[in-house]
Amino acid sequence: NAGVTQTPKFRVLKTGQSMTLLCAQDMNHEYMYWYRQDPGMGLRLIHYSVGEGTTAKGEVPDGYNVSRLKKQNFLLGLESAAPSQTSVYFCASSGGRRTGELFFGEGSRLTVL
Amino acid sequence: AQSVTQPDIHITVSEGASLELRCNYSYGATPYLFWYVQSPGQGLQLLLKYFSGDTLVQGIKGFEAEFKRSQSSFNLRKPSVHWSDAAEYFCAVGDGSNYQLIWGAGTKLIIKP
Repeated sequence: NAGVTQTPKFRVLKTGQSMTLLCAQDMNHEYMYWYRQDPGMGLRLIHYSVGEGTTAKGEVPDGYNVSRLKKQNFLLGLESAAPSQTSVYFCASSGGRRTGELFFGEGSRLTVL
Repeated sequence: AQSVTQPDIHITVSEGASLELRCNYSYGATPYLFWYVQSPGQGLQLLLKYFSGDTLVQGIKGFEAEFKRSQSSFNLRKPSVHWSDAAEYFCAVGDGSNYQLIWGAGTKLIIKP
């Protein structure tokens, strides 16, 4: 029962470096999401995808890019990391637009120095 | 502006005591309401949701929540907490679309033995 798997779980970057977070789900879900979680701010949606080959901007998309080349995978990229991107990143998936339940990965903690 | 407020950042409760976590929202349309729980080092898990109908909804792990439209509230309750309930709890509101959720900042529940 893997569900939603995120890699890596921890990463430390220097300002200006690039990296990619990988999210994989084995539930055949159409919808996938990337959130960031910062203390005292709850979750904020970065980007989401409603199906293979599609992506859309969420609330805080600047500085991030995403790709959904395969249905089961959703990649989040940082081209030039900044200290403001230090956060915990969560991937989630859902079976539809209105299923009312998101299934989350365990999170990826990113520190940008 | 649409928002979700969880007034309590931390709550400490003795094991076996009752629990109520507050959630207030400001939302222009008919709200769809959710409570999620995040155990340490884990992703978020859906506890319960309210879409319509009976304003008292039952969830997993013995939790319930009551929707009070007149007070714009959706408070989470449990009659007797267990040490395993120690976690962070998030309230969210939306229009039913999974990518339109607005999240509260979370309430951290601490259980005293």
